[in-house]
Amino acid sequence: AQTVTQSQPEMSVQEAETVTLSCTYDTSESDYYLFWYKQPPSRQMILVIRQEAYKQQNATENRFSVNFQKAAKSFSLKISDSQLGDAAMYFCAYRSARTFQGAQKLVFGQGTRLTINP
Amino acid sequence: DAGVIQSPRHEVTEMGQEVTLRCKPISGHDYLFWYRQTMMRGLELLIYFNNNVPIDDSGMPEDRFSAKMPNASFSTLKIQPSEPRDSAVYFCATRQWAKRQQFFGPGTRLTVL
Repeated sequence: AQTVTQSQPEMSVQEAETVTLSCTYDTSESDYYLFWYKQPPSRQMILVIRQEAYKQQNATENRFSVNFQKAAKSFSLKISDSQLGDAAMYFCAYRSARTFQGAQKLVFGQGTRLTINP
Repeated sequence: DAGVIQSPRHEVTEMGQEVTLRCKPISGHDYLFWYRQTMMRGLELLIYFNNNVPIDDSGMPEDRFSAKMPNASFSTLKIQPSEPRDSAVYFCATRQWAKRQQFFGPGTRLTVL
């Protein structure tokens, strides 16, 4: 079974600075998808960024980028120019790319609580 | 599109009562997932459906939990009888086949006293 580990329960950063959240995963599969979700106090789960394992290029969405190291099974999220609105819980998630029915679920890490200091 | 709709947003009940959580998926989405979020266990999948058929219910904690999807536009998660340890936020999420992203509803915060 796949597992996702976020080793940083809490992180803090000064506004306008850069912060990196860590995520590692364990899988025997070669094709899969990785995601970062943001959960603000409203508790709504919001997709921040996604990465396909077959793509070597790291995904980027505005101030958010990932460092995907497939061999190391590492998938970190970098937030540049941190803003107060970035304060939230961040979850790393894995999903198999296999098409059999049981493979469609997301497996989540435990989350990292990010605080932005003004 | 209104997104995934869940009701109620908050539910407070007493131990032993029946609780029913509801979800309306995004139109055209053929996968529907029920997740539970607690401080101790994080986000865990309870069950998911494809084209209204339950595919994987291995995360359903025990027989007190049941889920149905009678049609493509409605699903329920029922707890009977409820216990204090069922207190959690329950999310419904849906996805379209061959698409990468799951869309989450706002969640139902359940408190069992």
